Amino acid sequence: KNQVEQSPQSLIILEGKNCTLQCNYTVSPFSNLRWYKQDTGRGPVSLTIMTFSENTKSNGRYTATLDADTKQSSLHITASQLSDSASYICVVSDRGSTLGRLYFGRGTQLTVWP
Amino acid sequence: EADIYQTPRYLVIGTGKKITLECSQTMGHDKMYWYQQDPGMELHLIHYSYGVNSTEKGDLSSESTVSRIRTEHFPLTLESARPSHTSQYLCASSESGPTITDTQYFGPGTRLTVL
Repeated sequence: KNQVEQSPQSLIILEGKNCTLQCNYTVSPFSNLRWYKQDTGRGPVSLTIMTFSENTKSNGRYTATLDADTKQSSLHITASQLSDSASYICVVSDRGSTLGRLYFGRGTQLTVWP
Repeated sequence: EADIYQTPRYLVIGTGKKITLECSQTMGHDKMYWYQQDPGMELHLIHYSYGVNSTEKGDLSSESTVSRIRTEHFPLTLESARPSHTSQYLCASSESGPTITDTQYFGPGTRLTVL
């Protein structure tokens, strides 16, 4: 069964600290993996996208890594800010259909305290 | 921020009422999607469209229906709302072409509560 599991479910950190969010997936075949940020009451916004051949991708203070062999990805946030408080969603796409079906994780709820 | 809009943002309605959730995008995207999301849970695809006059059901069974008469507009309709329909509904769109790196742009969502 194709699944995307994220950990931790929730995380609280102090402003300025770093953190790492994890994503494990069993989706096969694999096309690409995205990390989205979803603010409360808003739609998700794409942060990074990585295909099979990419190991790392950065977007400002966000750095995503991908290990396609172990089917794991991480999202590292550096020097956290209050505005980083949000749900971070890992999304994996397969190649099994014209649509390129997306499998969504449940997200990690990150709270940054001052 | 993507140019994709949803109205209303919040809706509280009684059981049995007919409702239409509006979604429009100004990016000229052919592909559009409707997702349902409950608090703390993953997004579930309920409808999608490849273009005008094309609509398909998604992975999660839904009593809602959709239409795609214009490229920019993808409304979702519930003929008779029930409390089980209470959820957040997110609309998204993406470009045509290679699907390998299609990025979906999401609207702000409609929070529906059926009493």
